[in-house]
Amino acid sequence: EAGVTQFPSHSVIEKGQTVTLRCDPISGHDNLYWYRRVMGKEIKFLLHFVKESKQDESGMPNNRFLAERTGGTYSTLKVQPAELEDSGVYFCASSQERGHYGYTFGSGTRLTVV
Amino acid sequence: AQSVTQPDIHITVSEGASLELRCNYSYGATPYLFWYVQSPGQGLQLLLKYFSGDTLVQGIKGFEAEFKRSQSSFNLRKPSVHWSDAAEYFCAVGLNSGGYQKVTFGTGTKLQVIP
Repeated sequence: EAGVTQFPSHSVIEKGQTVTLRCDPISGHDNLYWYRRVMGKEIKFLLHFVKESKQDESGMPNNRFLAERTGGTYSTLKVQPAELEDSGVYFCASSQERGHYGYTFGSGTRLTVV
Repeated sequence: AQSVTQPDIHITVSEGASLELRCNYSYGATPYLFWYVQSPGQGLQLLLKYFSGDTLVQGIKGFEAEFKRSQSSFNLRKPSVHWSDAAEYFCAVGLNSGGYQKVTFGTGTKLQVIP
């Protein structure tokens, strides 16, 4: 089966610009998660979708971040406007069902804001 | 709140030597425990996981981890390291949140393997 796919793999943008990251989960996986790793720090939870609904968005840093998952398939994470501290690696993961522990992660999007 | 501590930021071992990466967690009950690895340019790959039962868990690529409740630890081991094991390793704790899983990661340990 195809894994979790993330686009783009790298993005360099200027402060104040908008960037949209995309995640395609494994087909059939209802649960989709976004995580972020700021340089040198731990990988932190951002939010969790169950199908198209946001189950938990407690990790979203502020209202400059907007996540969507229309139709319960792929998800986008938009940062608008981007700030320097948004730089880091954004990971997406998916899992099949409620009781399934252990995600499948994508390879991440490295975002650099200059 | 739960937390995961990986005290070693960077470890260097010789190829063929044994390896132990340390992980301690802070939580009132026994959580679900994981080790992930990220090789350069790759995503996070699950090495192994512990939910219950036998406290010595076998994973992929010859790795194993031992859960020690008394020490709140879940250290990762490999008897003989290969050059391809050079990567960053993350210990993680999973807890039930509203019936779903929420995972907290440690800060990671970078492993360098020298000839």
